[in-house]
Amino acid sequence: GEDVEQSLFLSVREGDSSVINCTYTDSSSTYLYWYKQEPGAGLQLLTYIFSNMDMKQDQRLTVLLNKKDKHLSLRIADTQTGDSAIYFCAESIQGSASKIIFGSGTRLSIRP
Amino acid sequence: NAGVTQTPKFRILKIGQSMTLQCTQDMNHNYMYWYRQDPGMGLKLIYYSVGAGITDKGEVPNGYNVSRSTTEDFPLRLELAAPSQTSVYFCASSSGPAGDEKLFFGSGTQLSVL
Repeated sequence: GEDVEQSLFLSVREGDSSVINCTYTDSSSTYLYWYKQEPGAGLQLLTYIFSNMDMKQDQRLTVLLNKKDKHLSLRIADTQTGDSAIYFCAESIQGSASKIIFGSGTRLSIRP
Repeated sequence: NAGVTQTPKFRILKIGQSMTLQCTQDMNHNYMYWYRQDPGMGLKLIYYSVGAGITDKGEVPNGYNVSRSTTEDFPLRLELAAPSQTSVYFCASSSGPAGDEKLFFGSGTQLSVL
């Protein structure tokens, strides 16, 4: 069945780059998303990539998609304390009202 | 601009009690969703609605009911609370199908059933 997998924890030093990885199983996914969840808040869409793209860059964020290996990554350059959060990878099926599959989330913590 | 508003933020229930989690959105979105988030797990879809008067089951609907009498409101009802329903509940909305449009989430309701 469909599944999205992520490692649960990542710790990086302030100022370094963070790379959060995700693997998915459904080859018919059309969009792949990164959502950010700060403590006590709901998920907020951080960025997304269409499945026919390899890379998307948005300021400090770089999303890489390897469709052959079904691997998605989020790189955060110059990681700041405000980047501490849980990051969820998700995949969706075009036109589906309900078909968004979320990973379990990666908790990013920042060391001084 | 309030977006998606959920109440209450926290609730403790005894086994067998019932309650309604409220969700309202002011973005005129047709699509609304209820997810639950268990520790260390991804979000699981409970119910969703594609418009007023239309609801459908998601992945984990057992033990829950929903209604959608207006575009703005999508309450989630627990009739006979069980410890397995201890979770964080998120309501979300979107302007189109979740596969095409981004979801806007509420801040969540943390529910404990003891």
